[in-house]
Amino acid sequence: QVQAVQSGGGLVKPGGSLRLSCAPSGFTVSDYYMSWVRQAPGRRLEWVSYITPNGHTVDYADSVKGRFTVSRDTTKNLLTLEMNSLRVEDTAMYYCTRGHWALDSWGQGSLVTVSS
Amino acid sequence: DIVMTQSPDSLAVSLGERATINCKSSQTILHNSNNRDSLAWYQHKPGQPPKLLISWASTRDFGIPERFSGSGSGTDFTLTISSLQAEDVAIYYCQQYYITPYTFGQGTRLEIK
Repeated sequence: QVQAVQSGGGLVKPGGSLRLSCAPSGFTVSDYYMSWVRQAPGRRLEWVSYITPNGHTVDYADSVKGRFTVSRDTTKNLLTLEMNSLRVEDTAMYYCTRGHWALDSWGQGSLVTVSS
Repeated sequence: DIVMTQSPDSLAVSLGERATINCKSSQTILHNSNNRDSLAWYQHKPGQPPKLLISWASTRDFGIPERFSGSGSGTDFTLTISSLQAEDVAIYYCQQYYITPYTFGQGTRLEIK
């Protein structure tokens, strides 16, 4: 069952930017590690990023480091993924998830398509 | 990076029969904090997000039916569905969370024979 509502995503040209948002249901982002995972068409799941409950520590996959930024807004209970300098290979379904080890609550997914 | 390799890539099993999916990590994934293997299994159905089945190689998540079990240690792990139900048709993924980048297996597609 979907335990977070995602928004954002869409079609963007290479080099463009997008922001994904994730609003959890039944828990607060300040109490848990939160992560982003993506799946390109026909490919395996790929971990993208995580942020600690206090927001002080983040980590990224090498493939997105320097281009993507994960953050959270505790006043709105929102997790965001800012994606810049997008590449064709960033085309994927993006999921927000709770946790950073085993991921036990997932958003419904946001489709990001990078194409000229 | 730790490489996770699943076998088989696809599997067809009769209803009520046992399904076994294997996962091999390219190195040991024993977590220092609790001396447990940092291995999770997920079920992924079309149009839905993945669903956590098992963490720490053998601990079922809340509400997961007992027919799902995880086993293994070291670098070799197994997901077993003891009696396949129609609703178990899905792609199954293993994941290591020992060290970033956390990595997933390529997936095993499970179908009804």
